[in-house]
Amino acid sequence: NAGVMQNPRHLVRRRGQEARLRCSPMKGHSHVYWYRQLPEEGLKFMVYLQKENIIDESGMPKERFSAEFPKEGPSILRIQQVVRGDSAAYFCASSRTGGPEDTQYFGPGTRLTVL
Amino acid sequence: QKEVEQNSGPLSVPEGAIASLNCTYSDRGSQSFFWYRQYSGKSPELIMSIYSNGDKEDGRFTAQLNKASQYVSLLIRDSQPSDSATYLCAVDDAGNNRKLIWGLGTSLAVNP
Repeated sequence: NAGVMQNPRHLVRRRGQEARLRCSPMKGHSHVYWYRQLPEEGLKFMVYLQKENIIDESGMPKERFSAEFPKEGPSILRIQQVVRGDSAAYFCASSRTGGPEDTQYFGPGTRLTVL
Repeated sequence: QKEVEQNSGPLSVPEGAIASLNCTYSDRGSQSFFWYRQYSGKSPELIMSIYSNGDKEDGRFTAQLNKASQYVSLLIRDSQPSDSATYLCAVDDAGNNRKLIWGLGTSLAVNP
């Protein structure tokens, strides 16, 4: 299966712990996007990365959240000192070129629950 | 602020009918338009993409684009209960790395 992979699918953390979410893009894709979706709400853009570069992080909270997409390995979304309000579904999408007609393909998501 | 607007619904249609989903957008420079379907608890999956004015058909789905009116729609013919989902409209942000601007989605219920 050459689709977008995310792990873990479900993650439970206590307040104050760290959450690490991983995303492996589709084969041949070098553009990764992270989104957050709260229950009964729409997709909220968080960050757009290419290999080793953050292109746009305008949707990322200024504190506690960070993202990377290293030369080797998956993209990582890291949330430090989690709070209950961080509980949400986090989706990763990938695309091939980032151009105007490029299509984003989504992974299955990581459901984060903060106790 | 650039926006994509959709009626939240729920839109309820009987099985076999045509479901019409609408989306307006504010960025005149947008060139790419996408419809995604999202089942409850699942991730969005691409239904259609459209880049030129007019209609684009794929099976039971037809996307319609009118750039002058800044309007894009999705028609689902012969609606089936399995089409019941939330339909998300996404439009590229021409001035901002071409990331997508997302609508909040329209909930569609197809009644047997």
